[in-house]
Amino acid sequence: RKEVEQDPGPFNVPEGATVAFNCTYSNSASQSFFWYRQDCRKEPKLLMSVYSSGNEDGRFTAQLNRASQYISLLIRDSKLSDSATYLCVVNPWTDKLIFGTGTRLQVFP
Amino acid sequence: DARVTQTPRDKVTEMGQEVTMRCQPILGHNTVFWYRQTMMQGLELLAYFRNRAPLDDSGMPKDRFSAEMPDATLATLKIQPSEPRDSAVYFCASGLGGSGAPAYGYTFGSGTRLTVV
Repeated sequence: RKEVEQDPGPFNVPEGATVAFNCTYSNSASQSFFWYRQDCRKEPKLLMSVYSSGNEDGRFTAQLNRASQYISLLIRDSKLSDSATYLCVVNPWTDKLIFGTGTRLQVFP
Repeated sequence: DARVTQTPRDKVTEMGQEVTMRCQPILGHNTVFWYRQTMMQGLELLAYFRNRAPLDDSGMPKDRFSAEMPDATLATLKIQPSEPRDSAVYFCASGLGGSGAPAYGYTFGSGTRLTVV
């Protein structure tokens, strides 16, 4: 079983839609969690950290469920510019970041 | 904005040749990672350093890959001899580590796209 698993998609949604991605992780001792965004042929960039209490940044909401070992990302009012691959990232211990293979989002007009 | 700088941006080489990729981490960052990304496997951690000391290189094929930090401003990843299956994008990332990943994660360079023919 992979340490971090994501649905690869693609998720094709119209502008203005709400879309949610989930991610599961295998190591229950994992400490930190992140969502990164990666545009085509670019490097991954930090979108947001994920806190136990859940956190929001504008149209983006991240939640963590430690009991079920999953992380979610909700995007409201999707924009064309949100089209990208969203990577779920887990810090199992020490400084290492383990990446999921990503979920591709395509927002169409 | 502070950036992680990687060179070369693109590299095409013949099978059997040596390839060296370079990374300049953000000044002051003490943790440097090398990742490899392919369509099939996604981002795989190859090796990482803290304060220039290698902490983990278990993700790296030891027979042909080597990673070093000759000084705090330079990290290198070498492949010798290169093989077609090494074709991938190699990313370097840096950050401030020491007690788990920082809340702001790590910053990635723009990558080296390697093609071995």
